[in-house]
Amino acid sequence: DAKTTQPNSMESNEEEPVHLPCNHSTISGTDYIHWYRQLPSQGPEYVIHGLTSNVNNRMASLAIAEDRKSSTLILHRATLRDAAVYYCILPLAGGTSYGKLTFGQGTILTVHP
Amino acid sequence: SAVISQKPSRDICQRGTSLTIQCQVDSQVTMMFWYRQQPGQSLTLIATANQGSEATYESGFVIDKFPISRPNLTFSTLTVSNMSPEDSSIYLCSAPGLGSFTYNEQFFGPGTRLTVL
Repeated sequence: DAKTTQPNSMESNEEEPVHLPCNHSTISGTDYIHWYRQLPSQGPEYVIHGLTSNVNNRMASLAIAEDRKSSTLILHRATLRDAAVYYCILPLAGGTSYGKLTFGQGTILTVHP
Repeated sequence: SAVISQKPSRDICQRGTSLTIQCQVDSQVTMMFWYRQQPGQSLTLIATANQGSEATYESGFVIDKFPISRPNLTFSTLTVSNMSPEDSSIYLCSAPGLGSFTYNEQFFGPGTRLTVL
């Protein structure tokens, strides 16, 4: 998988927006950008993914830079339940690499009440 | 989506023994994956389990230590053999959701927390 760089930790207040950055300067043209998060004592859960255009779903928004070398996961109104480790991943697609995920250290998000 | 369950949820074992972890998916999936999460660390892929073929192991993991079975399209087991305290970790299984052949969306089980004394 292409390498990603994320801040080790970030903090937010409840009900405020959170912007979680990810740098992936070696991304290739066919690499999707995926975000997962791991809540305390749980397995990771899929958050969102995108290729070129910005994406929205019920959990978050993904803003992708025009050159695709960086992306930002946006939580529009953080809640205490959003406190988790957030992973930005560029999975290899197809063949024997299908489905494999390489997890970096991720960003620990702390949400203050 | 896929719902994945694991058994046991946690266990405490003596060194030198083996533990078999079960992973059940609520739908048929071609591929299942096993990960390890050491204390305070991120997840590391152990192996890919395909139904009807031998598991494929990642660098640093061997079949003698982590034998895997995949008897059908909804079930897999991972055995941690001849355990030592260094094997104390959370072991997680995952599987792709339906329709995710392009997007690699994965669903994860809750994990099995293993402590080796």
